[in-house]
Amino acid sequence: DGGITQSPKYLFRKEGQNVTLSCEQNLNHDAMYWYRQDPGQGLRLIYYSQIVNDFQKGDIAEGYSVSREKKESFPLTVTSAQKNPTAFYLCASSILSGAGSIYGYTFGSGTRLTVV
Amino acid sequence: GNSVTQMEGPVTLSEEAFLTINCTYTATGYPSLFWYVQYPGEGLQLLLKATKADDKGSNKGFEATYRKETTSFHLEKGSVQVSDSAVYFCALSDETGGFKTIFGAGTRLFVKA
Repeated sequence: DGGITQSPKYLFRKEGQNVTLSCEQNLNHDAMYWYRQDPGQGLRLIYYSQIVNDFQKGDIAEGYSVSREKKESFPLTVTSAQKNPTAFYLCASSILSGAGSIYGYTFGSGTRLTVV
Repeated sequence: GNSVTQMEGPVTLSEEAFLTINCTYTATGYPSLFWYVQYPGEGLQLLLKATKADDKGSNKGFEATYRKETTSFHLEKGSVQVSDSAVYFCALSDETGGFKTIFGAGTRLFVKA
């Protein structure tokens, strides 16, 4: 079955350490997205990519980096510059059309990152 | 810019009660509208969508109608079940937003047996 796979499900980071969250999709979707969700909060966009080798900053990109070397993969690195990284991270993908993402997003099951 | 406003939660209902979760939007273009559901510890799932005015999206007993005149997309269900307990997000997407989807803050629903 097609879908989005995020790994790991739980991740623990020490102070000053970079960590990378994996996101892979086999849906042949054009666009991919990373969101951060804090407890009881909505979703905040970190980065998004519409095509391979191109990506744009979202609303809270500081302290994060991404790459899009393959259509299927969009890994997110949480750097030591991100001072409050503890959160639930969600990856999503979508088909693009002239009217935007009219088919909606497919989400992964998320990665819960905790600073220890 | 585009924005989505949905009613604050939590909403607490008894099983078999009628559900309405209000959602209004602001958009400069002609957006597509969505409802997503998030169960505890999971990602979001697309529940239903509507791509033009007067369209009705429906799925699993949930319905929402795209009302351009009131810029609304309220979620309804005639008889909720305990298994419907989750967080519900209203969202919009159009080309003027650069293909990004704008999400509301989410409304938590608790259904009591």
